[in-house]
Order: sequence, then structure tokens, then C-alpha cells
Amino acid sequence: GAVVSQHPSWVICKSGTSVKIECRSLDFQATTMFWYRQFPKQSLMLMATSNEGSKATYEQGVEKDKFLINHASLTLSTLTVTSAHPEDSSFYICSATDPSGSSYNEQFFGPGTRLTVL
Amino acid sequence: GENVEQHPSTLSVQEGDSAVIKCTYSDSASNYFPWYKQELGKRPQLIIDIRSNVGEKKDQRIAVTLNKTAKHFSLHITETQPEDSAVYFCAASPNYQLIWGAGTKLIIKP
Repeated sequence: GAVVSQHPSWVICKSGTSVKIECRSLDFQATTMFWYRQFPKQSLMLMATSNEGSKATYEQGVEKDKFLINHASLTLSTLTVTSAHPEDSSFYICSATDPSGSSYNEQFFGPGTRLTVL
Repeated sequence: GENVEQHPSTLSVQEGDSAVIKCTYSDSASNYFPWYKQELGKRPQLIIDIRSNVGEKKDQRIAVTLNKTAKHFSLHITETQPEDSAVYFCAASPNYQLIWGAGTKLIIKP
């Protein structure tokens, strides 16, 4: 149980275009999802916390107009990188918590999306 | 806010020996401490976790200890094997978020 999928697994785009990444909880309802970014040889950096039906809470230094997050249903959250530039190239990972589970803090991770902006 | 420090950044051990990775945290409100293993290009995988009402937890070759007074927790891997090679992250959770350590690259020498 507690499986999270992410799509696409990798994407290459031109500078200035927008890219949408989907994160789905497959077998549970996720009221809270998290979006992380991870640069090579670094730790995961929390970008934002997404709650179903409400606006995402962004971490300090993360531009909310550039990284648009939508959590329209209990099983789907999307991250759109708008006007992507080469410095946005990174590994983006989502995670979700299962409020019905016994481990309410445990986060279940998607497989990640490798974004390369040319 | 919470701050998590993790040491060492790189750890090289002989196959069959034990490996220990240590983390400290700053927020006494943290009550959940997971350890994740991440292989290159893949998602973090939870390998063991501990809550603040427990001092030690073991699962086969992996164990975690927690010292709430000193605000530190450690990951112990015994009888290391080549497949243990990866980056390991500790985290602390004072609420619903995870605050991550910087990671430890574990290298198992044959």
C-alpha cells in the first residue's frame, strides 16, 4: 500500500517553456503532498506543502509564481515550472502522507522527475 | 525552526564491518525520526524510523537509537554488504514536515 506515482519520469524542454509534473497517490487519499527539489549530491529541499483544496504553502526563497502547485483532488497534485531556465534543471520529487495510516508523519515518495532545461 | 546536522558526509567501510551515521537536531518538539536510503537517480526509501517515546529500534541488520536529552539519533548497519552502498539521509519531524540532514554517502569496500 501507500504507492505514489509521478509523471513524467524525465523531461527535456527548451528555455522559456513550461513543464507540468503530476504526482498521484494510487491507493490512498493524500490530503497533504510535498514537493521537493534535489540538486546533484545534495539533500532534498522542500519547495512547498500542498493541501487539497487550498493554496500551497511555499518555503522561503521559492517563487510561487514560477512554481505553480495545484492540489485539486485527494489523489493528485501538480507542479508546473513556468518559463523554465537552465538553472531550474533538477530532480523534482513529490511525497504524500496517508492520514488513514498508522504512521501519520511517514512520507511516501514518488519516483521523481528529472527536468533538463536546454 | 528545526535544524538537522548529519555526519559523516562520506563513510567508507570494509564489507562485513559495521557502519554508524549520526544526526543531531535542535527542536525538542520533533517526535519522529526516519532514515532514508537513496540510490542514484531514485526515490528515497524509508529503511527505519523511530518515535520519541522509544529509545531504540531494530530491524535485522539495521538499528536506530535515539537520545532525546542530547537530541541526537544514530543509524547502525551491521554486517555491511555491497548493496548497502547508497546515500543515507536522516530527518526529524516537529510537525507534518520533514527536516532533512545533508546525507551520508556510504561506500562498502569489497
